[in-house]
Amino acid sequence: QPQLQESGPGLVKASETLSLTCTVSGGSITRTSYYWGWIRQPPGKGLEWIGAIYYSGSSYSNPSLKSRLTLSIDTSKNQFSLTLRSVTAADTAVYYCARRETTRASHYDPWGQGILVRVSS
Amino acid sequence: SNVLTQAPPVSVAPGQTARITCEGDHLGYTNVHWYQQRPGQAPVVVIYDTTGRPSGVPERFSGSYSPDTATLTISRVEAGDEADYYCQVWDSDNNRVLFGGGTRLTVL
Repeated sequence: QPQLQESGPGLVKASETLSLTCTVSGGSITRTSYYWGWIRQPPGKGLEWIGAIYYSGSSYSNPSLKSRLTLSIDTSKNQFSLTLRSVTAADTAVYYCARRETTRASHYDPWGQGILVRVSS
Repeated sequence: SNVLTQAPPVSVAPGQTARITCEGDHLGYTNVHWYQQRPGQAPVVVIYDTTGRPSGVPERFSGSYSPDTATLTISRVEAGDEADYYCQVWDSDNNRVLFGGGTRLTVL
């Protein structure tokens, strides 16, 4: 199993842009069998799927976030990233990156440890 | 839009059986996955594709389904099973991954 590690700022100002990166170690991000995804969890609440990206750059995302979201991938660094624009307090959450098989109905495994991002007013 | 509804909190004594349900339209026609999330930790899959059990997950964990309801059963519950449990499906109607709201399992 590869290991995934999220990184980025823990505090973002409202109306600004949130940018996170997930670094994959112990396996290549270019393996054709997998998509690489993002899931978030507001404090004390449940899980919300953000989106997923393939090594080719093909991606799809939650319709509720699509207008503010960009997913990208850097195969040379074995990393993939999330950019969320115009953040509000509702975007405060622990953000997880995770791997999924290419079938859209598949599960996510493994997950990173998560990174808490707070949006300040 | 489609919604996954999970049961209220569940409390069981050690050694007993816990059943956690997930309700939603067409659950019998799609793969359901279950995640365990212990406090302060990332979710871990305990059941995939409705009934599959990853290596390393005890046989005490099992999954089943009936029309519109998927069930995670934990037999011979142990203190270490205390966690939040989430179901997950692919919502093909809305082209998105869908999670249930979670069920907290408390071991008495």
